[in-house]
Amino acid sequence: AQSVTQLGSHVSVSEGALVLLRCNYSSSVPPYLFWYVQYPNQGLQLLLKYTTGATLVKGINGFEAEFKKSETSFHLTKPSAHMSDAAEYFCAVSDWGGANNLFFGTGTRLTVIP
Amino acid sequence: GAVVSQHPSRVICKSGTSVKIECRSLDFQATTMFWYRQFPKKSLMLMATSNEGSKATYEQGVEKDKFLINHASLTLSTLTVTSAHPEDSSFYICSASHAGTSGSNEQFFGPGTRLTVL
Repeated sequence: AQSVTQLGSHVSVSEGALVLLRCNYSSSVPPYLFWYVQYPNQGLQLLLKYTTGATLVKGINGFEAEFKKSETSFHLTKPSAHMSDAAEYFCAVSDWGGANNLFFGTGTRLTVIP
Repeated sequence: GAVVSQHPSRVICKSGTSVKIECRSLDFQATTMFWYRQFPKKSLMLMATSNEGSKATYEQGVEKDKFLINHASLTLSTLTVTSAHPEDSSFYICSASHAGTSGSNEQFFGPGTRLTVL
């Protein structure tokens, strides 16, 4: 079975500070991992994904995440937070080798303080 | 590319009525479409998966007769909430995927539909 745990339902950072959103997964097979962002009353937008190959994945808007198999983690980072980064972030795992049957974490709301 | 639309974006209805939500893939053929429900400040809960021309596969605990899903074409899936009640009020999000050359069938999400049942 696949599952995702996002530590911290709410994270606040100052503008310009490092953003770190944590995600740990559980999967019985090699996982495909995703980070999505959701702005209020909108659908989900893919930030980045890990399938195979390089474990450090770069996404849109300056975000990146590193797949660490030994730690079963896929934390999302951004060196410098911008006000426009304020949103809900979801980590998800899929075990199909295709993003069918995505299992989502409970989400982390990022607040950026000016 | 890979744009998914939903209609309506927001709907308010009276208890006991039925509501249909459309999900369309605008620039690709979606072999599979997914319907999610999102409760306030909660994650997305997969309700069902549908393939074009086939019956939808519902997740455990989701009432098939309550949430009717039709995937009549490769670009359209509909979710009908029958005899809606206030507890059905939620944010419904669809997604669509197609077989990609990379082997990663990414899901593309619609903007969601806010259903409020009075």
